[in-house]
Amino acid sequence: AQSVSQHNHHVILSEAASLELGCNYSYGGTVNLFWYVQYPGQHLQLLLKYFSGDPLVKGIKGFEAEFIKSKFSFNLRKPSVQWSDTAEYFCAVRQANAGNMLTFGGGTRLMVKP
Amino acid sequence: EAGVVQSPRYKIIEKKQPVAFWCNPISGHNTLYWYLQNLGQGPELLIRYENEEAVDDSQLPKDRFSAERLKGVDSTLKIQPAELGDSAVYLCASSPSGALDYEQYFGPGTRLTVT
Repeated sequence: AQSVSQHNHHVILSEAASLELGCNYSYGGTVNLFWYVQYPGQHLQLLLKYFSGDPLVKGIKGFEAEFIKSKFSFNLRKPSVQWSDTAEYFCAVRQANAGNMLTFGGGTRLMVKP
Repeated sequence: EAGVVQSPRYKIIEKKQPVAFWCNPISGHNTLYWYLQNLGQGPELLIRYENEEAVDDSQLPKDRFSAERLKGVDSTLKIQPAELGDSAVYLCASSPSGALDYEQYFGPGTRLTVT
């Protein structure tokens, strides 16, 4: 079965630090990849997604992610975090031709200290 | 545009009691999903509807869980009887059928506590 791993469960950074959150998946075929964010007290929102084309994807609020097929990875990055980026981040994978079914990672809780 | 609406937002019940959650998807979204999110984990799909048809319910514990989407719009997820281990957040999401971007839009969830 498809699995998605987010190795960092908790990350604490100071404002202006750079961020990279890891995401690895197990499926060897064609995939679509997503990062969702859940701010405190809010619902899950899409940050960015990859379907095809340029493996470097830019999303909202200065986030970007890079799809590295050979490494089965889709890491999330931001050059300079802000206190408002404090949230939980979820990586999700959809197998192509498997319906619109997402498999989520366990999430990474990011705390940014002002 | 209104988002996915869920109610109630919070529910506390005693074990062995029944409970129901309601979801109204974004207007025009034919695909509706119910997810279970345990504390510290990512959402896990319970059931997916295309209009009123349940097209994937393999992860739904059918001995105590049931769901319906009678008119292909809003949906209800029921647990009867609830167990302590059912304490979690129940998320509803929707997406347009046949959409190329396959983005799912999530509701705020219902946090269930079983005592």
